[in-house]
Amino acid sequence: AQSVTQLGSHVSVSEGALVLLRCNYSSSVPPYLFWYVQYPNQGLQLLLKYTTGATLVKGINGFEAEFKKSETSFHLTKPSAHMSDAAEYFCAVNRNSGNTPLVFGKGTRLSVIA
Amino acid sequence: DAGVIQSPRHEVTEMGQEVTLRCKPISGHNSLFWYRQTMMRGLELLIYFNNNVPIDDSGMPEDRFSAKMPNASFSTLKIQPSEPRDSAVYFCASSSAKRGYNSPLHFGNGTRLTVT
Repeated sequence: AQSVTQLGSHVSVSEGALVLLRCNYSSSVPPYLFWYVQYPNQGLQLLLKYTTGATLVKGINGFEAEFKKSETSFHLTKPSAHMSDAAEYFCAVNRNSGNTPLVFGKGTRLSVIA
Repeated sequence: DAGVIQSPRHEVTEMGQEVTLRCKPISGHNSLFWYRQTMMRGLELLIYFNNNVPIDDSGMPEDRFSAKMPNASFSTLKIQPSEPRDSAVYFCASSSAKRGYNSPLHFGNGTRLTVT
């Protein structure tokens, strides 16, 4: 079975600082990996996904994530935080056989301080 | 494209009452998912459908919960009778299963249910 662990339920950064949100996955088969973002009172939106190929994946709003098989990690980064990045971020995993729905982590709330 | 549409946005009801949540998926999507989000348990998958057929309902917490998808453009999640511990935000999401379950999920804005 697949699972994801997001380290830190709450991360706070200053505006302009590096954003690093951590995600480690567990999967017995090569995974598909996703990051979703949830703004207040809204549903989740896809930020980026890794399926195959290049391990550094670029997403919307300047975010990127790198798939590291040796570390079973898929951390989300952004070089410079904006106030508008304040939201909840969810990492998710799926088997690359594509037969089962996504398994989500518990989420990390990002606060950006002016 | 109007996205996934859920109604109502907010529902406040008394314990013991029946609650029905509604979802209209994106046209052309043939997979539909119901999730529940709480502070304590995070995002939980309740049930999902493929081509209107329920595939896995193992996440449905109790027999009080039921879900239907009578056609490709409509699904309901019903709680009868409701209890205070059912208070949560319920999300519906859809995707195109033709591209496998690695296809992105498109979420609605959720229904915030409060049971008093």
